[in-house]
Amino acid sequence: AQTVTQSQPEMSVQEAETVTLSCTYDTSENNYYLFWYKQPPSRQMILVIRQEAYKQQNATENRFSVNFQKAAKSFSLKISDSQLGDTAMYFCAFSPNFGNEKLTFGTGTRLTIIP
Amino acid sequence: DVKVTQSSRYLVKRTGEKVFLECVQDMDHENMFWYRQDPGLGLRLIYFSYDVKMKEKGDIPEGYSVSREKKERFSLILESASTNQTSMYLCASSLSTGQPYNEQFFGPGTRLTVL
Repeated sequence: AQTVTQSQPEMSVQEAETVTLSCTYDTSENNYYLFWYKQPPSRQMILVIRQEAYKQQNATENRFSVNFQKAAKSFSLKISDSQLGDTAMYFCAFSPNFGNEKLTFGTGTRLTIIP
Repeated sequence: DVKVTQSSRYLVKRTGEKVFLECVQDMDHENMFWYRQDPGLGLRLIYFSYDVKMKEKGDIPEGYSVSREKKERFSLILESASTNQTSMYLCASSLSTGQPYNEQFFGPGTRLTVL
C-alpha cells in the first residue's frame, strides 16, 4: 500500500515571497503519478500540478513548480511570488500506473499568505 | 468546463437515519469517486466506480454503500448513520481508465453532521 506524508500542517508566508511545501511518499511501484491539489476556503478542490514518475524533468505551471526526487521519494511544491489567492489547503497525492486510479492523499498543509 | 455537483452543502441527520448523498457530473466521465475529508487525516477513498453498476471498495468502505444506476450520477449511502460519520464528503469524477492520465474533478463537498 502507498502512503503519502505531509509533515507541515500549517505554514504562512508574506505576499510575494516564495514558499515550499514538502511531501514524501512510499511505494514499491516503478511508474506512478504525483499531484498537488489546492482547496481554497469554502471552494472546490482543483489540480495545481502533476508529475509523471518516469519523467526526470520537474513539472512547472506558471508560479508553481515541483522538486521531484524519485530516489528519495520526495515531491515538494514551490510557489513563487505568492499571492493572497494562494491561501488554501494543499494536498499531495499519489496514483499508480496511468494515474486514473484512486488517489492516495496526504494529510494536507494549510498555507496562509499574509498581506 | 467540467461540473461536479453535490446535492447538499450542509446536512444534519440523526443517529440511525438512512442518508443519501448525491453526486452528478455533466461531462460524460466514466470514473466517479467518493472521499471523506477529516482534519489531520486528509482525504480517504470510500468507494469508486469505473462504469455504470460497477463499484470498487476504497480504503474505508465500512458503514457505507454506493449506487450508480446512471453514468452521470453516483450516490453514497449511509445505511444507519453514526456520529463517527460526521465529516466532509467529497465527490470526484475523471474521464476513463486506460488513458495516459485523466484529472479528477471535485465537487464542492457535503458537510454532514450526525447528531
